[in-house]
Amino acid sequence: QSVLTQPPSASGAPGQTVTISCSGTSSNVGRDYVCWYRQLPGTAPQLLIFQTYKRPSGVPDRFSGSKSGTSASLAISGLRSEDEGDYYCVAWDDRLSGYVFGTGTRVTVL
Amino acid sequence: EVQVVESGGGLVQSGGSLRLSCTASGLSNYWMHWVRQVPGKGLVWVSRINRDGRTINYADSVKGRFTISRDNTKNTLYLEMNSLRAEDTAIYYCARDFNGNDDYWGQGTLVTVSS
Repeated sequence: QSVLTQPPSASGAPGQTVTISCSGTSSNVGRDYVCWYRQLPGTAPQLLIFQTYKRPSGVPDRFSGSKSGTSASLAISGLRSEDEGDYYCVAWDDRLSGYVFGTGTRVTVL
Repeated sequence: EVQVVESGGGLVQSGGSLRLSCTASGLSNYWMHWVRQVPGKGLVWVSRINRDGRTINYADSVKGRFTISRDNTKNTLYLEMNSLRAEDTAIYYCARDFNGNDDYWGQGTLVTVSS
């Protein structure tokens, strides 16, 4: 079950910056790394950010992660049509001893 | 090329059992995870196992019913699912090095539990 809260949708024009928030608690986002995934329809999720700020090889630097307290954010700059999809944050939860995903955000490029 | 391939999904009656398998490139070097997703809904983490199989965690929703295991000699991860419920219906993904630099997921296998 989703324990991390994300806005259901976000949108922007090509070239703009979109920021997605991920709100958690002191037992997850507040004390551990946050990761971000993008999922395109009918495909498996792809990791965009790990350890809150790092990008796997092949992920463009248009994607950046940040965190403050119990909230994390993913920023997508220079928005492109191929950035459309569903975005999820995820973090380890010490109280549950398991990973918890965010509720997901659908990004639309106008 | 990295390959992660799940198998074993299918239709099963409520209360029944199913075993999923996952073969992955370099499996023995990584923690392995199962994540599920009801089509059209969000992602839900299910379970993880460390490299030697001695550290295992489960989501509360499957604890006591599902068992994760691995055979590094066969490059294979398993998920034994018992006492299946309608709410276990989902696409089950196998993830190598979940949340790590070598994170890679399979395309998933669909499990449908009929009531």
